[in-house]
Amino acid sequence: ETGVTQTPRHLVMGMTNKKSLKCEQHLGHNAMYWYKQSAKKPLELMFVYSLEERVENNSVPSRFSPECPNSSHLFLHLHTLQPEDSALYLCASSQDRVRQTNYGYTFGSGTRLTVV
Amino acid sequence: AQKITQTQPGMFVQEKEAVTLDCTYDTSDQSYGLFWYKQPSSGEMIFLIYQGSYDEQNATEGRYSLNFQKARKSANLVISASQLGDSAMYFCAMRERDQAGTALIFGKGTTLSVSS
Repeated sequence: ETGVTQTPRHLVMGMTNKKSLKCEQHLGHNAMYWYKQSAKKPLELMFVYSLEERVENNSVPSRFSPECPNSSHLFLHLHTLQPEDSALYLCASSQDRVRQTNYGYTFGSGTRLTVV
Repeated sequence: AQKITQTQPGMFVQEKEAVTLDCTYDTSDQSYGLFWYKQPSSGEMIFLIYQGSYDEQNATEGRYSLNFQKARKSANLVISASQLGDSAMYFCAMRERDQAGTALIFGKGTTLSVSS
């Protein structure tokens, strides 16, 4: 496989469930990201992992818990979510180079999450 | 204050016509990168074009070109000869240089509809 793969593509969960989103990249990149995309809103950065260390947590509620066990895998653990957490969750990776700006992301296809 | 502003929620164009999607940005960095991504209804984010703040020439990639006006802080995307497959959401994004793990900041997006 190549690129960035996200599973599952669709997820419906109740507010008391615990589930995890998975992201895997086969590009040799050293940085991975979680974004949340809600209707009519900009993509919201949730978490950044660079060299497997979390470097940013944009005031995300604790019901979202990221995990990056190695540079190829990224998880987003979900528990006791709210209906307003329903959104498209996008994972991306990049080859992070400090003081350079010209590296973009490769995105996965996203997980469409519905909280009922 | 928003870092990336896309003022056009929706744009409509006929096949074979050119269309310009607007993007303005706000940064105090001298070195930064600007990106455009396309998101079809499938959800995947597709990289289109990159412009560095020090690049003297406007970036071009096939039918895509970036009209970069640094003094105005604008980075408009021009799509020439629109095709039906260009119908999608388009996002402008920026990376500022100075921090490790600096993530892309996205605008709210513009929905482009191409008709025959």
